[in-house]
Amino acid sequence: AQRVTQPEKLLSVFKGAPVELKCNYSYSGSPELFWYVQYSRQRLQLLLRHISRESIKGFTADLNKGETSFHLKKPFAQEEDSAMYYCALSDMRFGAGTRLTVKP
Amino acid sequence: EPEVTQTPSHQVTQMGQEVILRCVPISNHLYFYWYRQILGQKVEFLVSFYNNEISEKSEIFDDQFSVERPDGSNFTLKIRSTKLEDSAMYFCASRWTGKNTGELFFGEGSRLTVL
Repeated sequence: AQRVTQPEKLLSVFKGAPVELKCNYSYSGSPELFWYVQYSRQRLQLLLRHISRESIKGFTADLNKGETSFHLKKPFAQEEDSAMYYCALSDMRFGAGTRLTVKP
Repeated sequence: EPEVTQTPSHQVTQMGQEVILRCVPISNHLYFYWYRQILGQKVEFLVSFYNNEISEKSEIFDDQFSVERPDGSNFTLKIRSTKLEDSAMYFCASRWTGKNTGELFFGEGSRLTVL
């Protein structure tokens, strides 16, 4: 079955600390993977996609086919990064989400 | 910047009533989606729609649900006979390109409360 797993429902770090939000996937074939973010009182929006290999707001994510992972990383978290983060597969099914809280 | 818009933002209904949630996708988009988020839970895929027909649906999308693109702009989700457990936030999304690529653009959601 094709699915995305985000093992952490909640993640809390201090400002300036590194952060890693985990995402593992199960997919037959070559997946396209995405990270979406939902800030408080805002709509869901794309943060980044693996195919473009870009860094958005300091976040990066590398597709590791050996570990079937697409973890989201940022070296120095900021308070404005506090949000709900969803990993998604190309069939647009989402993981359970991780709520990131960055404390001052 | 074009946006996906949804109406109503909040609807309260009695159990057993029919509800229609409306979405206006971005105008040049071809693929349309509905998602549901029960309070405190994850965003769940309901259905995708392309070329005037359902392309994929989840196990949640049973016979009580239907989708329609009645004209060139609206994309609707109908719940025929609402149940208490249908209370959730419903998100519409659209994208212009094919199944495996492309960014989803989301609306702000319609909150449905079933009493």
